[in-house]
Amino acid sequence: AQRVTQPEKLLSVFKGAPVELKCNYSYSGSPELFWYVQYSRQRLQLLLRHISRESIKGFTADLNKGETSFHLKKPFAQEEDSAMYYCALDYKLSFGAGTTVTVRA
Amino acid sequence: NAGVTQTPKFQVLKTGQSMTLQCAQDMNHNSMYWYRQDPGMGLRLIYYSASEGTTDKGEVPNGYNVSRLNKREFSLRLESAAPSQTSVYFCASNDQGSTDTQYFGPGTRLTVL
Repeated sequence: AQRVTQPEKLLSVFKGAPVELKCNYSYSGSPELFWYVQYSRQRLQLLLRHISRESIKGFTADLNKGETSFHLKKPFAQEEDSAMYYCALDYKLSFGAGTTVTVRA
Repeated sequence: NAGVTQTPKFQVLKTGQSMTLQCAQDMNHNSMYWYRQDPGMGLRLIYYSASEGTTDKGEVPNGYNVSRLNKREFSLRLESAAPSQTSVYFCASNDQGSTDTQYFGPGTRLTVL
């Protein structure tokens, strides 16, 4: 069963527009959730994790246990945000299918 | 520090051939992982090693074997490659298991004909 769902495979936004990547998870315990990013020709790397409560590169993500969601948001997308984004859950080291974001000028 | 390194970067095999993918980390991490990345399926865990001397199955272990050679190295072996094993393979490591940030290698692109 898919424990982490990212419903959008592709997301295209204009530069300066808000962007939101959806992530829902299935886990009844206390989850640790992550967003990883893979820029073109670079390795997969951590963007942010919920326990840190940080804003990285203008991105934030809030854990909503009631909706079992951990959506990633940025108010003003930049061209350098174009990448593949993965949501991940610590339970069974589960990753979502990924969302490819393209930011157009 | 090189972080997590993987060899080879690319490999083409014929069905039935065997090969070993190598992974090494220089961060003194306890835990190491092997994933495969397939379009539309994200990353799926094949095997992991929580600490030196231990290995455990992940979500998709069939057709693979692993060896945690020492704290630095964790290899993935395909004994008899099949076309369904065509994928990009990533190795990762971290210090404190599933709740800790993982550090990934650059990946190995494997094609099985």
